[in-house]
Amino acid sequence: EAQVTQNPRYLITVTGKKLTVTCSQNMNHEYMSWYRQDPGLGLRQIYYSMNVEVTDKGDVPEGYKVSRKEKRNFPLILESPSPNQTSLYFCASSLRRDSFGYTFGSGTRLTVV
Amino acid sequence: GQQVMQIPQYQHVQEGEDFTTYCNSSTTLSNIQWYKQRPGGHPVFLIQLVKSGEVKKQKRLTFQFGEAKKNSSLHITATQTTDVGTYFCAGVKAAGNKLTFGGGTRVLVKP
Repeated sequence: EAQVTQNPRYLITVTGKKLTVTCSQNMNHEYMSWYRQDPGLGLRQIYYSMNVEVTDKGDVPEGYKVSRKEKRNFPLILESPSPNQTSLYFCASSLRRDSFGYTFGSGTRLTVV
Repeated sequence: GQQVMQIPQYQHVQEGEDFTTYCNSSTTLSNIQWYKQRPGGHPVFLIQLVKSGEVKKQKRLTFQFGEAKKNSSLHITATQTTDVGTYFCAGVKAAGNKLTFGGGTRVLVKP
């Protein structure tokens, strides 16, 4: 089944403790992206990747890192999480950035206390 | 920068009634996409519109792209409880390649 798999689905952590949210797609998509969704603010892009080893900042990149060492994986790294990063996170992938529909993962609900 | 606005933010609909949600861009778009997110779920791609004035239908859903390619609409007829969720539009600026999401229209259906 074609899908984007995110893990974990839920995570509660403490301020400053490094964490990684994994994202993997099995559709050979070139483009991958991370979004956060907060009430009243819609979907905001954190980072994106046009292909392997090519990543760039989205609209809200502060406090996040990403890497794209393989085509299928695009992990999101929070080096020192803070409470304002409590949010619902989605990974998405697409054949291309601008002209194909995005497939989203099931989401990761992160709480930083 | 490019902005994509959706109205209304919330839509309360009686089951069986029709409604329309609108998406407006501050710039001309090369294409527009629509997504649906069920409560507790993730956004799911519904459709993409590319041509000026394009109209596409999916069962009870009708999607339209404006003639100037700066706005779009989603019309749902005979609303059902399965239509509950948030509908997002997302546009790509002409001569650009970034997909920008609107804030969404949250649809609640009264049985």
